[in-house]
Amino acid sequence: QKEVEQNSGPLSVPEGAIASLNCTYSDRGSQSFFWYRQYSGKSPELIMSIYSNGDKEDGRFTAQLNKASQYVSLLIRDSQPSDSATYLCAVPNSGYSTLTFGKGTMLLVSP
Amino acid sequence: DARVTQTPRHKVTEMGQEVTMRCQPILGHNTVFWYRQTMMQGLELLAYFRNRAPLDDSGMPKDRFSAEMPDATLATLKIQPSEPRDSAVYFCASGKDGPEAFFGQGTRLTVV
Repeated sequence: QKEVEQNSGPLSVPEGAIASLNCTYSDRGSQSFFWYRQYSGKSPELIMSIYSNGDKEDGRFTAQLNKASQYVSLLIRDSQPSDSATYLCAVPNSGYSTLTFGKGTMLLVSP
Repeated sequence: DARVTQTPRHKVTEMGQEVTMRCQPILGHNTVFWYRQTMMQGLELLAYFRNRAPLDDSGMPKDRFSAEMPDATLATLKIQPSEPRDSAVYFCASGKDGPEAFFGQGTRLTVV
């Protein structure tokens, strides 16, 4: 059973700052990772996926993968109050058919 | 716009009653996932189907939960009999071949 660990938070940052969200995983063989955003009372929404070591940028979001250290990060630049949500990290199973989710980190961006 | 549709959005029922949740996946997606979310456990996979065939339901309590996909546009999750510990948000999600899941709005179930 793959394990995905996230700090539950809340992580509080001021508007305009960089928010850094981290996720560690137990299976050294994991090849890809997914970040979901979940607003309170809403469903998870896929925002980023990363498949190889290094960085992947999409607008204000950057996903960073370090396979040697078994962690993946999500950076949010110029954080906005609308970014306040819970961010879930997810790892595929060995058959690449389903996802195991972390419990999420709550991000609070204050104006 | 393409999205997964779940009904009902909210359900309050008494212990022992049958609960049926329905899901219409995104057109063209061949994979349907059922997840349950609670504060304590987070998001847990209950079951999933690919091309309407059940591939894994090891996350479900077998004695009371059942999942079916009678056709490509409808997936159902049934709980009979329901118990208070089943209270949670149940999400249906769909995808195309891989593990990426696109979630519906969820059914918030309360069993009293």
